[in-house]
Amino acid sequence: GAVVSQHPSWVICKSGTSVKIECRSLDFQATTMFWYRQFPKQSLMLMATSNEGSKATYEQGVEKDKFLINHASLTLSTLTVTSAHPEDSSFYICSANRQGESYEQYFGPGTRLTVT
Amino acid sequence: AQSVTQPDIHITVSEGASLELRCNYSYGATPYLFWYVQSPGQGLQLLLKYFSGDTLVQGIKGFEAEFKRSQSSFNLRKPSVHWSDAAEYFCASDSGTYKYIFGTGTRLKVLA
Repeated sequence: GAVVSQHPSWVICKSGTSVKIECRSLDFQATTMFWYRQFPKQSLMLMATSNEGSKATYEQGVEKDKFLINHASLTLSTLTVTSAHPEDSSFYICSANRQGESYEQYFGPGTRLTVT
Repeated sequence: AQSVTQPDIHITVSEGASLELRCNYSYGATPYLFWYVQSPGQGLQLLLKYFSGDTLVQGIKGFEAEFKRSQSSFNLRKPSVHWSDAAEYFCASDSGTYKYIFGTGTRLKVLA
């Protein structure tokens, strides 16, 4: 149990367009979902934390207007990269807490975004 | 501020040799500690975790880690490495804020 999926797994978009990435907890309800960004050969950096029905909490230095997060239900969170630019190209990974297990996060497989 | 340090960026071992990947954390109390493995282009797979109790933790794929409070360390070990273990390994901690802090990762190369 505790499977997290992401869609799409890979997306290419043109500069100036927006792209939405979905994160779903398939077999559990997620108290909190997290979005990370990973540059090539680097570590994961937390971008934001979201709870169902609440506004996301962004980490320092993350532009909330650039990276829109919506947590519509206990199983779905979306990250929309608005007006994407080549420097937004990265690997985006989401994770989720299962209800009652606040200290363990279950990670999705990641989405590779390439902005041309 | 809380931080996680993985001193070794790259490690190369021969197949069948033993492995130890180092992880140090900085936090006053005992954090929750995790080791993850990431294959190229893939997400993270949890190898093991430490919350409390026995300081020697057994994980999947034959990995184990030992929590040493005196050294603020949580090193990952495997007695005999397989070629399929080649990957990136991340140590992470949670100081009770429900947020993970990741180390910079250690890339493991396995020689045949």
